[in-house]
Amino acid sequence: ETGVTQSPTHLIKTRGQQVTLRCSSQSGHNTVSWYQQALGQGPQFIFQYYREEENGRGNFPPRFSGLQFPNYSSELNVNALELDDSALYLCASSRKVQGEYGTQYFGPGTRLLVL
Amino acid sequence: AQKITQTQPGMFVQEKEAVTLDCTYDTSDQSYGLFWYKQPSSGEMIFLIYQGSYDEQNATEGRYSLNFQKARKSANLVISASQLGDSAMYFCAMREGSNDYKLSFGAGTTVTVRA
Repeated sequence: ETGVTQSPTHLIKTRGQQVTLRCSSQSGHNTVSWYQQALGQGPQFIFQYYREEENGRGNFPPRFSGLQFPNYSSELNVNALELDDSALYLCASSRKVQGEYGTQYFGPGTRLLVL
Repeated sequence: AQKITQTQPGMFVQEKEAVTLDCTYDTSDQSYGLFWYKQPSSGEMIFLIYQGSYDEQNATEGRYSLNFQKARKSANLVISASQLGDSAMYFCAMREGSNDYKLSFGAGTTVTVRA
C-alpha cells in the first residue's frame, strides 16, 4: 500500500449537485494531483497542488476546483455535476525537492456515479 | 495527438510465461520520464517501474523490466514468470520536462493470466 488514502470510496449524486472528495498524502510528500478516469479509459489529469496553490491544470472546466491544506491533504470539489462526471477519481501524491518531482503514488480512488 | 499509445487492448498469457506490453510515446522534450502502473479491478493505480530519458540502462524491478528504445520512442514493459495475481490493467504514462507536474496516460492493456 502507498499510504495515500481517499474518501469516500463510493458516492452517488444527482445531476446539478455538488461533491467534495478528500485525499490524504503519503507521509513526506508535498504535492497532490487529481485525475479523472472514465470507464475503460486511462486517467486524465485534472490539476496539481503544491504549497497550497494550484500548480498546473488539465483541460477541465472551472467547476472543478481544489484545495491543499498545510498538512498536504487535499480536496477536489465539483459543482453542477453532469452525467459525464461519473468516473473514478484518483488522487496521487509525490515529493517535489529542489524543483524535481518524484514518482506519483496513487490512492484507491473514489467512484462517483451521477444520476 | 496522443502522447502515449498502447495498441494492445487485451492480452492472455499462460502462468509462468513472460509477456510484453507495448508502449510508444510522443514528445519533443529531451527530458522526460516513463512510468508503468498496474490497476487491479479494485481501482488503485500501483507504481511498477520508471525509466528516465537520460538513463542508459533499461530499468528493472523484480519481475518487471522496461525495454527502452529511445530512437523508436518505445518503452515496452516485460513481465517475466507471470503469476495469477498479475491479471490487471496496465498503463504506460509519461512525464514531460516541460509539464513535469502531470502524467499523461495511455488507454491501457488488460492482461489475463491463465493457470
